[in-house]
Amino acid sequence: DAKTTQPTSMDCAEGRAANLPCNHSTISGNEYVYWYRQIHSQGPQYIIHGLKNNETNEMASLIITEDRKSSTLILPHATLRDTAVYYCIVEGSNYKLTFGKGTLLTVNP
Amino acid sequence: EAEVAQSPRYKITEKSQAVAFWCDPISGHATLYWYRQILGQGPELLVQFQDESVVDDSQLPKDRFSAERLKGVDSTLKIQPAELGDSAMYLCASSLRAGTGAQTQYFGPGTRLLVL
Repeated sequence: DAKTTQPTSMDCAEGRAANLPCNHSTISGNEYVYWYRQIHSQGPQYIIHGLKNNETNEMASLIITEDRKSSTLILPHATLRDTAVYYCIVEGSNYKLTFGKGTLLTVNP
Repeated sequence: EAEVAQSPRYKITEKSQAVAFWCDPISGHATLYWYRQILGQGPELLVQFQDESVVDDSQLPKDRFSAERLKGVDSTLKIQPAELGDSAMYLCASSLRAGTGAQTQYFGPGTRLLVL
């Protein structure tokens, strides 16, 4: 299963866009990229997923490079409630999600 | 919006005791997952069910952990006997059905276990 690499932590000012990078250089052609976030002491929350094309929903946008070796999650207008650990995951065999340590995003007022 | 339900939300037990967690997936979701999350780490898959059948339990410590989903709907995860190292958050997730295409997993709020 493909591994992902994310920065340990990032800061963002409230109201600004938060851009969270993820490297998945060993991804295979039919493996999806998923993003989840986890606010302290809660279960992970699904954000978005994609295969090849860029995706957007009410929460975020996902930009996947053409070679699919990296992606960026964009929160267009970060709020204090977006402070959380963000996980970038490549879905493995049997739809298995292997979580790493993620990126702790801190949104500052 | 439909959600995954878990109970209890918190459980304190003494080592060597038995403990059980319950999960009710989103209605219509055939695939159910149990994860364990140790403080400071990401969730780790323990067991995956498709309907009532186990698909993957390779990371389940079978000497003390058991999981069942008898009617293919709700599920129970049991630990007997509990050890100090079992203190963690136990998360349940569900998805529609394993097949072609993406299978988004939706997580419950988790059960936080403390073993004394």
